[in-house]
Amino acid sequence: QKEVEQNSGPLSVPEGAIASLNCTYSDRVSQSFFWYRQYSGKSPELIMSIYSNGDKEDGRFTAQLNKASQYVSLLIRDSQPSDSATYLCAGTRLRGGSYIPTFGRGTSLIVHP
Amino acid sequence: DGGITQSPKYLFRKEGQNVTLSCEQNLNHDAMYWYRQDPGQGLRLIYYSQIVNDFQKGDIAEGYSVSREKKESFPLTVTSAQKNPTAFYLCASTTTGASINQPQHFGDGTRLSIL
Repeated sequence: QKEVEQNSGPLSVPEGAIASLNCTYSDRVSQSFFWYRQYSGKSPELIMSIYSNGDKEDGRFTAQLNKASQYVSLLIRDSQPSDSATYLCAGTRLRGGSYIPTFGRGTSLIVHP
Repeated sequence: DGGITQSPKYLFRKEGQNVTLSCEQNLNHDAMYWYRQDPGQGLRLIYYSQIVNDFQKGDIAEGYSVSREKKESFPLTVTSAQKNPTAFYLCASTTTGASINQPQHFGDGTRLSIL
């Protein structure tokens, strides 16, 4: 099993809808997670971080962490065409005494007018 | 403004040639990382460094080398042993590698292609 798994998509939603992006993780991954947005040809930028079980909201974005199910999600409310991008889920693994990031493949989101 | 500067933005490599990608940060971060991204793929870790004069292999280190002689600099050399170097290379940093809750700060990336 890969350490962090995401459906590559694309996920297509109409403008104004809720986009739901999902990520599962293995036992090797520590329970500290990040969502990054990456526009085509650009570098990733941090959208949300979540460290505790439950929900965390920031504007139109809500991150959810379910440790029992080893499941992380990102909800985008009132989706806009400018939200069209690839969303990378990242966890952290312990390696040689250091915490090393581990990324999923990313989910491509398309928001159509 | 603090940040990470990668150069060049685009790089072309001839067969048998070594090329070096530059990464400089002025965030005063201890930890630095190099990733490779192929189309439709996530980020794969090449090398990382938690402190000056120390670095560790990541998941795909073969054909690459790094140095960390200064805190702010972490150059990556793509050697001729790397037979498929065409990819988008990203440099990143975190405040420290000793804490679990550290988001990555990324540079703008270098796109490497074979001539």
